[in-house]
Amino acid sequence: SQQGEEDPQALSIQEGENATMNCSYKTSINNLQWYRQNSGRGLVHLILIRSNEREKHSGRLRVTLDTSKKSSSLLITASRAADTASYFCATDSGTGNQFYFGTGTSLTVIP
Amino acid sequence: DAGITQSPRYKITETGRQVTLMCHQTWSHSYMFWYRQDLGHGLRLIYYSAAADITDKGEVPDGYVVSRSKTENFPLTLESATRSQTSVYFCASSVTRADTEAFFGQGTRLTVV
Repeated sequence: SQQGEEDPQALSIQEGENATMNCSYKTSINNLQWYRQNSGRGLVHLILIRSNEREKHSGRLRVTLDTSKKSSSLLITASRAADTASYFCATDSGTGNQFYFGTGTSLTVIP
Repeated sequence: DAGITQSPRYKITETGRQVTLMCHQTWSHSYMFWYRQDLGHGLRLIYYSAAADITDKGEVPDGYVVSRSKTENFPLTLESATRSQTSVYFCASSVTRADTEAFFGQGTRLTVV
């Protein structure tokens, strides 16, 4: 399975701190995406990074991609209580027709 | 309303019954997907569709049937529900293949008793 794995499974931090979560995957990809899921809701797209990119920013989010290590990290800076959610990485399949999701990191930001 | 909607939001059914989960999107996205989400497994792809009348299996297709007669609709049918199919089901769509963002519905929580 191409399914990625996020690490850690759970993370608890104080408001204002930075949160870093990692994703590892198994086979070559064309792109990697990060999604957020609030409790009881659907997933919301955060950022997409292509295999020829090493770093990408969007607001307080910074994503890095290391294709040699088959890993990616998501950094949320200056976290807020509203960032409390589960975060998933998603990779495309070899054919590019499918998304494969990891098992997620549950982030709790304590006010 | 524009977007992707799933119905019902909650469903309880008995073992052996047929149940259909509905998914409707208003963007005319080519690709649509069905996932199930279970604790410890993340999201697993059941079926996907690249266009009307084109469907293909994902990681866990057994016990499920899909159809896509119209671009905007992608129903998922459990032909004979089993307790192992108790899960939260998410439908998603994307403009093209997996190189663009996917838009998710709110999910259907299905309980098979």
